[in-house]
Amino acid sequence: SAVISQKPSRDICQRGTSLTIQCQVDSQVTMMFWYRQQPGQSLTLIATANQGSEATYESGFVIDKFPISRPNLTFSTLTVSNMSPEDSSIYLCSVETQGAGTQYFGPGTRLLVL
Amino acid sequence: KQEVTQIPAALSVPEGENLVLNCSFTDSAIYNLQWFRQDPGKGLTSLLLIQSSQREQTSGRLNASLDKSSGRSTLYIAASQPGDSATYLCAVGSNSGYALNFGKGTSLLVTP
Repeated sequence: SAVISQKPSRDICQRGTSLTIQCQVDSQVTMMFWYRQQPGQSLTLIATANQGSEATYESGFVIDKFPISRPNLTFSTLTVSNMSPEDSSIYLCSVETQGAGTQYFGPGTRLLVL
Repeated sequence: KQEVTQIPAALSVPEGENLVLNCSFTDSAIYNLQWFRQDPGKGLTSLLLIQSSQREQTSGRLNASLDKSSGRSTLYIAASQPGDSATYLCAVGSNSGYALNFGKGTSLLVTP
C-alpha cells in the first residue's frame, strides 16, 4: 500500500486567485493522478501526472486552468488557476504502484471559492 | 465513454441486517473493478479489487461479485454495523489506461 498526504486539507479562496495543492507519497510510485469531486457528484479524473514530462489531461480539462508538476516519483502539485465558485470541489490525489492494480487515494483538499 | 451507475443512491438499515449495493457499467471491456469507502472529510479507502478475470473477492464481512457480460457488480455487506455508515463508491478501470470511472456512490446509514 501507499500512504498519501495532501496540503492544504481545506481552503477558502477568493475569486480570481490561484491555489496550489501538494501531494506527497511515502514511496516511489509509477502513476499519479488528480481527481475532482464536485458537490453531489462522482469523482472525475483531471489528469495523469507524468514524471519528467507534461501531464496528460482528460477531456474538458486544460493545462492553463490546472497546471500540474511532478518533479519526482513521490511528489506532485496541482494548481487551480483563476478560480471561480464553480471550482469549489474536493481535489484528490491518487497513486497506483506498479502492477498492483489498486489505486490509493489521499485525504483530499476541500476547496471553497467565494 | 464508460458510464457507471450505482443503485440505490441512499440506504438506511438497522444494525445487523445484510445488505447489497449495486453497480452497473456500460462497457464490459474492463481492466478491473474496485469498491471504495468514503467517510466525510476523509479520502477514499479501498475495500475490494476484482480483476477482470475474477468473479468475486471477499474481505471479512464484505463480498464483491463481478459479472462482466451483464455489466454488473454487487457489494454484499453482512451483519451491518453503525461503523459501516459511509458512502460506497464503485470504480471501473478500463483496458485503455489507468483512469478509474466512478459511480456517484451509495450513501449508507446503519442505525443502532
